[in-house]
Amino acid sequence: QVQLQESGPGLVKPSQTLSLTCTVSGGSISSGSYYWSWIRQPAGKGLEWIGRIYTSGSTNYNPSLKSRVTISVDTSKNQFSLKLSSVTAADTAVYYCARGDLLGTDLWGQGTLVTVSS
Amino acid sequence: EIVLTQSPGTLSLSPGERATLSCRASQSVSSSYLAWYQQKPGQAPRLLIYGASSRATGIPDRFSGSGSGTDFTLTISRLEPEDFAVYYCQQYGSSPGFTFGPGTKVDIK
Repeated sequence: QVQLQESGPGLVKPSQTLSLTCTVSGGSISSGSYYWSWIRQPAGKGLEWIGRIYTSGSTNYNPSLKSRVTISVDTSKNQFSLKLSSVTAADTAVYYCARGDLLGTDLWGQGTLVTVSS
Repeated sequence: EIVLTQSPGTLSLSPGERATLSCRASQSVSSSYLAWYQQKPGQAPRLLIYGASSRATGIPDRFSGSGSGTDFTLTISRLEPEDFAVYYCQQYGSSPGFTFGPGTKVDIK
């Protein structure tokens, strides 16, 4: 079955760029009418939607993060990626990648903790 | 951007009781695009309900969703021990942001 796995540095320095990749296994990222999302969750807090991308490259971003976020897709590698620039301690969170469509977000990665600290 | 509010913040109930969780939107949400998720500690969220009232694959029928417009409800008819968790609603039909509510924690009384 299809699975998602986040990867990337667990520690990022303030003002630098956070970069994460989500690898899709067990199926093609291009199959179906899915969009591919990034969602984050600070410790002990709720879920925050970051943005999504279709394999066509079309994107939507959370307005509060839009100036700092870039989501991209590499269909040849079956991966999509997140870049968040100018990070601060407030960006410390568990970052999830996920798959969604008209029937909701039905598949999630296990999540990866990213800490912003010098 | 649509803002979602969930109530109550915490719901303390016993196994076997009925749980009623509310999600209210700042503006009308197409019922086709309102979802509910369950999250347990240390786990990723799990999709329970999509389209306001349709159960996701493998979700027990004790979970049901209802509502339209700005008011939505998740009902758990009889709480099982594994149902004690945090529940989030999400609207996913209105760009640019697919917002989540702040969550309702269902804990054991």
